[in-house]
Amino acid sequence: KAGVTQTPRYLIKTRGQQVTLSCSPISGHRSVSWYQQTPGQGLQFLFEYFSETQRNKGNFPGRFSGRQFSNSRSEMNVSTLELGDSALYLCASDPSGTSGKETQYFGPGTRLLVL
Amino acid sequence: QKEVEQDPGPLSVPEGAIVSLNCTYSNSAFQYFMWYRQYSRKGPELLMYTYSSGNKEDGRFTAQVDKSSKYISLFIRDSQPSDSATYLCAMTTTGGNQFYFGTGTSLTVIP
Repeated sequence: KAGVTQTPRYLIKTRGQQVTLSCSPISGHRSVSWYQQTPGQGLQFLFEYFSETQRNKGNFPGRFSGRQFSNSRSEMNVSTLELGDSALYLCASDPSGTSGKETQYFGPGTRLLVL
Repeated sequence: QKEVEQDPGPLSVPEGAIVSLNCTYSNSAFQYFMWYRQYSRKGPELLMYTYSSGNKEDGRFTAQVDKSSKYISLFIRDSQPSDSATYLCAMTTTGGNQFYFGTGTSLTVIP
């Protein structure tokens, strides 16, 4: 079974631009979560989508948004990029169907650099 | 105070050593405790998870949870160079509304 895939793998943007990242979960997984990973803060939870609805949300500003499509694929959008948004953005899918995250599987991430 | 505290290391051990990795936490509502391994330039890989207190063993890996002390551990027996990676602890409540990672411990196993 194919794993979680994320595109693009690397991205360079400038301040003020916006960016859209894509995630395809493992087949049959309906929950998709997004995380930001930086050296200083580690992994921080952004939000989770299940059946096209945002189910949980972390403590990030409204510039960070997401959506999920009927095929469970998810996109994350960051508007008005800031230098501090440079990070590895990870997507994870979960087969459990519950909102617990004990069995989630991560993709390889999208490395975003904001100049 | 951070929800989850993890010593970043780095930790360097000889091949065959027993490795102990630890995290402490402050939120008594956490019920699920996970350990992930992350190789350089890769996403985290789930190693094992434990519900509530107790021990869980999987091959060379043993996870322990002590909820009374708010302390979790991962033990790696007979460590191998391929175990060299960053190890992340993570925990969540039953409803999954709060999900937190430690900052990770960098481990190097020297042949």
